Amino acid sequence: GESVGLHLPTLSVQEGDNSIINCAYSNSASDYFIWYKQESGKGPQFIIDIRSNMDKRQGQRVTVLLNKTVKHLSLQIAATQPGDSAVYFCAERRNNAGNMLTFGGGTRLMVKP
Amino acid sequence: DAGVIQSPRHEVTEMGQEVTLRCKPISGHDYLFWYRQTMMRGLELLIYFNNNVPIDDSGMPEDRFSAKMPNASFSTLKIQPSEPRDSAVYFCASSSWYNEQFFGPGTRLTVL
Repeated sequence: GESVGLHLPTLSVQEGDNSIINCAYSNSASDYFIWYKQESGKGPQFIIDIRSNMDKRQGQRVTVLLNKTVKHLSLQIAATQPGDSAVYFCAERRNNAGNMLTFGGGTRLMVKP
Repeated sequence: DAGVIQSPRHEVTEMGQEVTLRCKPISGHDYLFWYRQTMMRGLELLIYFNNNVPIDDSGMPEDRFSAKMPNASFSTLKIQPSEPRDSAVYFCASSSWYNEQFFGPGTRLTVL
């Protein structure tokens, strides 16, 4: 029979539009957060990180927002390009868990040309 | 730097055989992580090392799995005996303290 796997939420955007990918994290004690991008057949690739003493951090075309009140993290990609198509994972480090990261289930971003 | 290096990139084996996956972390990183990724369970941490010492192996599925890090530049993940349910992509990652983890390209394991 058909196996049941993780159902990745999918975000479909038009090339040139802005993308917003959301992530809810679980532990209020988490103090470090990372966004990774994973393209098909490759390992996760670091995009941007943010520490819990910050609310916002910007990189090249990407911005991460952290709302500790509601334990929410978002990744904004400006002027989305076809090369941005991938699965995006958020990860959190809990400050009582050494240097381990806990990964979310991922969101698939599809960019329509 | 070449990044995290993993070998082999693909491995196909038969049930019951021993499988050894290899990883070379980024020079200077003192943390090394082994992950498994499947459609069913996503990305799971199996074990991680700090300064070549295993720190947390609570994610290792069972005694068939073992990992070693004999020196700062090499680690292995061994499955003996392998089973079809071990089929997955296995990633190695390395980092320094409190910084991002850098992932290798992964080893796709298929156990027939």
